[in-house]
Amino acid sequence: EVQLVESGGGVVRPGGSLRLSCVGSEFNFDDSGMTWVRQVPGKGLEWVSGINWNGGRTVYADSVKGRFTISRDNAKNSLYLHMNSLRAEDTALYHCAKVGTPRGYSYGTLEYWGQGTLVTVSS
Amino acid sequence: DIQMTQSPSSLSASVGDRVTITCRASQDISNYLAWYQQKPGKVPKLLIYGASTLQSGVPSRFSGSGSGTDFTLTISSLQPEDVATYYCQKYNSAPQTFGQGTKVEIK
Repeated sequence: EVQLVESGGGVVRPGGSLRLSCVGSEFNFDDSGMTWVRQVPGKGLEWVSGINWNGGRTVYADSVKGRFTISRDNAKNSLYLHMNSLRAEDTALYHCAKVGTPRGYSYGTLEYWGQGTLVTVSS
Repeated sequence: DIQMTQSPSSLSASVGDRVTITCRASQDISNYLAWYQQKPGKVPKLLIYGASTLQSGVPSRFSGSGSGTDFTLTISSLQPEDVATYYCQKYNSAPQTFGQGTKVEIK
């Protein structure tokens, strides 16, 4: 069974930084595109960022461009989201998700999701 | 960027009713449209991709249609386990915008 497990969330002050991690198992991580999607509890889904299979292509939502960096380490089956200059509006549950089709792309259908890690930006 | 607009934002229907949710893209996205179901307290689940292709394991009472800018998700006979919020999402390119969601409840 495909598993995606996120970690690294927590409480951080405005302007602070945080690094989220996501470990994937039971699928070919190194040929899968991956994404981050966030959700404020009780609100809708917001796509944040995506990375292709080898890390050569990354894409971002305008709301995080220049502040967040997505990366991956295929040797560790791991996906990361480095978040800098955090704002109150970044408070959300952050999910990693595996791209289904197109295979290996930085965007596409999101066929498997992790349970998420909660980020709270507050003074 | 392309905007995705869903309607209605919520609906209440009886068990066995036919339910229709619409999603409109602000520009042509061909058939690069996916639908997700999010039950309370759960992560989203992919239902339909390519506007009309059912993901493996999804009940056949769910169907999708449309292309270009106008899309529809239909539940042919609403069941109690279909209570959820449904989201459309474009995936032809980044950003992969989601619709704002449609909350489906049982009357």
